[in-house]
Amino acid sequence: NAGVTQTPKFQVLKTGQSMTLQCAQDMNHEYMSWYRQDPGMGLRLIHYSVGAGITDQGEVPNGYNVSRSTTEDFPLRLLSAAPSQTSVYFCASSPFGGDSPLHFGNGTRLTVT
Amino acid sequence: DQQVKQNSPSLSVQEGRISILNCDYTNSMFDYFLWYKKYPAEGPTFLISISSIKDKNEDGRFTVFLNKSAKHLSLHIVPSQPGDSAVYFCAAGNAGKSTFGDGTTLTVKP
Repeated sequence: NAGVTQTPKFQVLKTGQSMTLQCAQDMNHEYMSWYRQDPGMGLRLIHYSVGAGITDQGEVPNGYNVSRSTTEDFPLRLLSAAPSQTSVYFCASSPFGGDSPLHFGNGTRLTVT
Repeated sequence: DQQVKQNSPSLSVQEGRISILNCDYTNSMFDYFLWYKKYPAEGPTFLISISSIKDKNEDGRFTVFLNKSAKHLSLHIVPSQPGDSAVYFCAAGNAGKSTFGDGTTLTVKP
């Protein structure tokens, strides 16, 4: 079983470029979320979704868009990349949010030059 | 203002001894707490959790203690093994959103 799959694993962008980080889960989880992890820091919540068609902002949403058209997929769009968005991005899912533990993908390492 | 703090960036212990990782929080609205473990180049994996209505939860070698009055929780690993060497994140949640600490790097020496 694949769990949470993130693509690509690595990406280098120039300032101002846009791109989409892909996230898919095969566990039929209702809740999905995106986190970023900067060096020496914890994970900060960017956006989350409690089900298809429903999204909401987390702690650091600026510069990112999300949509949830299916239960399985939760892409994260960078609209105009900035060096401050250089980070490792993790997608996570859980059966219903709340206190159910998150299942994480292996991350996308993004560098913006 | 960081709501979840892990004040020790690193911890080194000898194999077979106890590892104690600590976490403090400021938001009294948090109603569940979780610990995750992370190896390099991988995503975090869930380790153990505790509800705010409990003060202890145990799972094999791992025990989490919650002191609500002090807004403090700790993870005990007994006995520690070299394979436990990883970064440990404390997370606290409310209304479906989890807030993470900065992590503690545990090194277990053979």
